[in-house]
Amino acid sequence: NAGVTQTPKFQVLKTGQSMTLQCAQDMNHEYMSWYRQDPGMGLRLIHYSVGAGITDQGEVPNGYNVSRSTTEDFPLRLLSAAPSQTSVYFCASSPLIFTGRSYEQYFGPGTRLTVT
Amino acid sequence: ILNVEQSPQSLHVQEGDSTNFTCSFPSSNFYALHWYRWETAKSPEALFVMTLNGDEKKKGRISATLNTKEGYSYLYIKGSQPEDSATYLCAFGSGSARQLTFGSGTQLTVLP
Repeated sequence: NAGVTQTPKFQVLKTGQSMTLQCAQDMNHEYMSWYRQDPGMGLRLIHYSVGAGITDQGEVPNGYNVSRSTTEDFPLRLLSAAPSQTSVYFCASSPLIFTGRSYEQYFGPGTRLTVT
Repeated sequence: ILNVEQSPQSLHVQEGDSTNFTCSFPSSNFYALHWYRWETAKSPEALFVMTLNGDEKKKGRISATLNTKEGYSYLYIKGSQPEDSATYLCAFGSGSARQLTFGSGTQLTVLP
């Protein structure tokens, strides 16, 4: 198993450009999520999905879109990059959380994004 | 926005010392509490997932306790080693726990 993979590892964008961060997992996990990590602020949830065709917003969704057409893939789109989106982005997956259980999340290696 | 606080923010200990850190979270609508270990230049890795008040989990020299009524969890490391140096994150799940709220972490440095 490759686990959770993310591409690219590093990216530099100019303000106003758009791009897609890729995330894939091969563990057949229903739950996938995107976080951003900023100094002193921990991980903040951007969007999440509980299965193909189902997505929802997290704490900081503005400026980002997601879709989930397959169980394996959960891309994150930056619509019009802004310097405030300079961050490290982590994708994570877990078995679907259901009543009475909570499963650990498996994180990808991260994408370091700089917007100039 | 839920408030999940970790203390201390950073900690330096000598090799062999035992240490502990705290995660504070809302005491209402509790679902789960996760602990993750995050080494520099790597991804966070799960240590424990706890769902019941009074839960105690142990993995080697690391253990954790949970008090959902008062809203805190402790992470203990016995006999710290340099390889324990990392940031330790806790994450609180409320309601259906489809969203985890992370604390900002405790950065541990173990000096040889």
